[in-house]
Amino acid sequence: GEDVEQSLFLSVREGDSSVINCTYTDSSSTYLYWYKQEPGAGLQLLTYIFSNMDMKQDQRLTVLLNKKDKHLSLRIADTQTGDSAIYFCAESGSSYKLIFGSGTRLLVRP
Amino acid sequence: GAVVSQHPSRVICKSGTSVKIECRSLDFQATTMFWYRQFPKQSLMLMATSNEGSKATYEQGVEKDKFLINHASLTLSTLTVTSAHPEDSSFYICSARAEAGPNYGYTFGSGTRLTVV
Repeated sequence: GEDVEQSLFLSVREGDSSVINCTYTDSSSTYLYWYKQEPGAGLQLLTYIFSNMDMKQDQRLTVLLNKKDKHLSLRIADTQTGDSAIYFCAESGSSYKLIFGSGTRLLVRP
Repeated sequence: GAVVSQHPSRVICKSGTSVKIECRSLDFQATTMFWYRQFPKQSLMLMATSNEGSKATYEQGVEKDKFLINHASLTLSTLTVTSAHPEDSSFYICSARAEAGPNYGYTFGSGTRLTVV
């Protein structure tokens, strides 16, 4: 079945880069997504990547996709305290359902 | 951009009563809407998928008689938690999907915190 895994916690210093990793199992995934969730709030779409792309950059965010290894990463450059949140990767397969990873809690230390 | 409005944001109800949560797509037609449940410090668990005008498809382990979903129009889906019990207390989030146009993709509501006392 479909499964998405992430590391649970990441702590970085303000100004450093953050790299959040994700692995997935469904090779038919068309799009892969990164969402941000702040406490008590819904999900905010940060970025997404189409499965035939290797990399996508959007301002401070860089997404890398290794389709062979089914590995997705999100790099946040110049991490700020406002970036502290939970980050979810998600895949959408042929059923159009979004399957989420467990979420990575990012803590940015001043 | 696409906006999904979810109401209420927070509700406290007595055990045994029913609670209705609304999910509206404000500026696009949502062919499909999804309902998720999130426990504290955990991921989102898909409960059901609803398509306008048809019965919802529930994920394994989700009681369809407990969690009633109605998708009466292309802009509105409702989730009713019937005969709520304390174990139903959770954060419920809806998502709407547009199949085409500038709003293509998934947009999430801001969530509903349900507390059953």
